[in-house]
Amino acid sequence: DTAVSQTPKYLVTQMGNDKSIKCEQNLGHDTMYWYKQDSKKFLKIMFSYNNKELIINETVPNRFSPKSPDKAHLNLHINSLELGDSAVYFCASSHSPGGDEQYFGPGTRLTVT
Amino acid sequence: KQEVTQIPAALSVPEGENLVLNCSFTDSAIYNLQWFRQDPGKGLTSLLLIQSSQREQTSGRLNASLDKSSGRSTLYIAASQPGDSATYLCAVTADRGSTLGRLYFGRGTQLTVWP
Repeated sequence: DTAVSQTPKYLVTQMGNDKSIKCEQNLGHDTMYWYKQDSKKFLKIMFSYNNKELIINETVPNRFSPKSPDKAHLNLHINSLELGDSAVYFCASSHSPGGDEQYFGPGTRLTVT
Repeated sequence: KQEVTQIPAALSVPEGENLVLNCSFTDSAIYNLQWFRQDPGKGLTSLLLIQSSQREQTSGRLNASLDKSSGRSTLYIAASQPGDSATYLCAVTADRGSTLGRLYFGRGTQLTVWP
């Protein structure tokens, strides 16, 4: 059984479009995260939710809006996509936000043309 | 601001060698340190997690050490195998105020083990 899953795995779209990436975890964790890995493979946190509440919001353009309908799901919606948004987006989860081990999904490769 | 550096950026070794990957971080106020493995086109797999109060952790052929005061960690891989080829990422969890829980990543060491 997949612990942290993301859909879609690949996403190719044009500049200006709006797209969403979905994440689900079946580990019973309270905390979920979105990370962005750029073309140089550098991973950086974007958002974190704990029990459906936003607790980490890094310096991310407000075109990016996370939504957590319940503890097991954390979706990422991106408006007005730009070329620079091309990256691999990883979802992760942990038992709590206090530094517990984080489990990562397989990633979504977003390509904006 | 926490910065994590990994050396070397790439490493290519023959099968059977013991090897050491290095990680350093600028702010010693960490909660823990994790080593991850990333295979091409795949997600991250957690290998070892060392709490700030611990000195080392072992899992099979992997041993990770932590010297919090000097801001260093090493990942030791014994008797390397071609299946160990991957990118190894070091990440520290912040332990101060509003930054608690944030993972700060290094840029990784790309390891190739050839038969």
